[in-house]
Amino acid sequence: DAGVTQSPTHLIKTRGQQVTLRCSPKSGHDTVSWYQQALGQGPQFIFQYYEEEERQRGNFPDRFSGHQFPNYSSELNVNALLLGDSALYLCASSSGTYNQPQHFGDGTRLSIL
Amino acid sequence: SQQGEEDPQALSIQEGENATMNCSYKTSINNLQWYRQNSGRGLVHLILIRSNEREKHSGRLRVTLDTSKKSSSLLITASRAADTASYFCATDGTGTASKLTFGTGTRLQVTL
Repeated sequence: DAGVTQSPTHLIKTRGQQVTLRCSPKSGHDTVSWYQQALGQGPQFIFQYYEEEERQRGNFPDRFSGHQFPNYSSELNVNALLLGDSALYLCASSSGTYNQPQHFGDGTRLSIL
Repeated sequence: SQQGEEDPQALSIQEGENATMNCSYKTSINNLQWYRQNSGRGLVHLILIRSNEREKHSGRLRVTLDTSKKSSSLLITASRAADTASYFCATDGTGTASKLTFGTGTRLQVTL
């Protein structure tokens, strides 16, 4: 039973570029959340997708957008990259059932030059 | 913004000793979860405690929750070198969507 998978593992971009990160949820999960983790900090919630709709959003600018597909996989897009966007981006999946844990992937390490 | 604070920020113990980490949070919660992270990789879920529970065990882990003080503790008994990692608490708020708000983490070092 595969867990949450993310691609790519590492990515290097330059300022102003655009990036797309991908996530496949754990089998049986229908909800995908994205988090940004800066070095030495705890993860920060970006947004959550359920039934192909953005259900909740954290305090991130519109440069951060996402999408969820009918198979529950998800993409995170970031436009006009800034140096401060350098971070580990984590995807987590969960079922729609109340009070269930979120399962995380290994993340995508994004470096902006 | 971070919901909670873990205490201590860093902890160094010897193998076989117990490790205790504390977490404080600010708002009402549905549940509180503890996660482990090795070397900047993904987070591994350890344990979830609901707001109406006071204590929960899983193997060598013991978690307590005091909602009146808005605090939780994680105890790892008989620690091993493999327990070396960062540990985070995360709260799931009382809204309908499960959005986790993480603390700042405790870095645990277990030496032989």
